[in-house]
Amino acid sequence: SQKIEQNSEALNIQEGKTATLTCNYTNYSPAYLQWYRQDPGRGPVFLLLIRENEKEKRKERLKVTFDTTLKQSLFHITASQPADSATYLCALSSGTYKYIFGTGTRLKVLA
Amino acid sequence: DARVTQTPRHKVTEMGQEVTMRCQPILGHNTVFWYRQTMMQGLELLAYFRNRAPLDDSGMPKDRFSAEMPDATLATLKIQPSEPRDSAVYFCASGLAREDGYTFGSGTRLTVV
Repeated sequence: SQKIEQNSEALNIQEGKTATLTCNYTNYSPAYLQWYRQDPGRGPVFLLLIRENEKEKRKERLKVTFDTTLKQSLFHITASQPADSATYLCALSSGTYKYIFGTGTRLKVLA
Repeated sequence: DARVTQTPRHKVTEMGQEVTMRCQPILGHNTVFWYRQTMMQGLELLAYFRNRAPLDDSGMPKDRFSAEMPDATLATLKIQPSEPRDSAVYFCASGLAREDGYTFGSGTRLTVV
């Protein structure tokens, strides 16, 4: 069956460092992969989308990579700040409007 | 900023009662989703509409859940009868294209006792 895995353990890093979050998938051929941020008590907020034929996408301090051979996406936040602390979710679509979400990874940036 | 509006924000109800959740998508967005989020399962897609037509409701328990879009400004999710296992946060999201991000509402936190 299709499976999307994100590290369920919280990731703690020091302010100023680069945070790297992982999204792995099995039995899936995504055409699009999105990353969202979710704060407690709020809905997810869209950050970035990357297509299957793109290796890397950047937006300000954010960088996403997509390796369809490894079946993995990496999400990087450079020069991390305490305000970046949140849960980050990846979501995959095979090409339809339907996106399936991973369970998310909690990031805590320590001042 | 344009936003997706969900009502109510919180709902506590007794088992067996009917629950209706409402969503006002962003004006102009023609794709509307209903997701449910729990600690155990994460975000699960229940149903979605494109131009008000239901495209996929395979994630929804059909015997008790129903989703409709009576018009372009309103989507509803109804549970009848509600059960304690339906306790979760229900999110509505809207968007324009599969290649764009979707905008989520703040959710309805449902507790069935």
